[in-house]
Amino acid sequence: GDSVTQMEGPVTLSEEAFLTINCTYTATGYPSLFWYVQYPGEGLQLLLKATKADDKGSNKGFEATYRKETTSFHLEKGSVQVSDSAVYFCALSDRGNNDMRFGAGTRLTVKP
Amino acid sequence: DVKVTQSSRYLVKRTGEKVFLECVQDMDHENMFWYRQDPGLGLRLIYFSYDVKMKEKGDIPEGYSVSREKKERFSLILESASTNQTSMYLCASLANYGYTFGSGTRLTVV
Repeated sequence: GDSVTQMEGPVTLSEEAFLTINCTYTATGYPSLFWYVQYPGEGLQLLLKATKADDKGSNKGFEATYRKETTSFHLEKGSVQVSDSAVYFCALSDRGNNDMRFGAGTRLTVKP
Repeated sequence: DVKVTQSSRYLVKRTGEKVFLECVQDMDHENMFWYRQDPGLGLRLIYFSYDVKMKEKGDIPEGYSVSREKKERFSLILESASTNQTSMYLCASLANYGYTFGSGTRLTVV
């Protein structure tokens, strides 16, 4: 079945460092891909999405490009801030968003 | 903005109790979901519903049931709570852009 694998954490970075969180997927069809973020004590919030190959999703300085050839959707940010400390989830949906599969989550801590 | 509200942020229940977790959304969405979140396992789908009185099992439905009597409300029921059901429970509803999640209910079964 469809699945998502994302890099294990935790990830600890200094402020202004470059961030990459790897995400790869397995799907039989042509899924939509998502990154969600969970701040402490809160539910998940949609960070960005891409619905077809070569699409780039972006939001709040974060970017991810849908790479069909490598079945990847890596999350990047050029300069992280302390406020980016959260858990990040990669996800896919292969059937009109009715069945979303999540990765295990990667905890990011950014230190001043 | 769509709002998904879960009635409790924290709950402590005893083994064997019947537990109700409530979720309400305010945007007339048809599709609603219950997940549990555990460290290292991400989110796992328990049940979802695509319409009033309709429900579908997710990946881990054992020990749970659901109720959808009204479109805005989707309840998760633990018929007889057990310690392995201690977890964070997240409700979501489906919008055009993706899921909107509630803040979660952290349930501890003692």
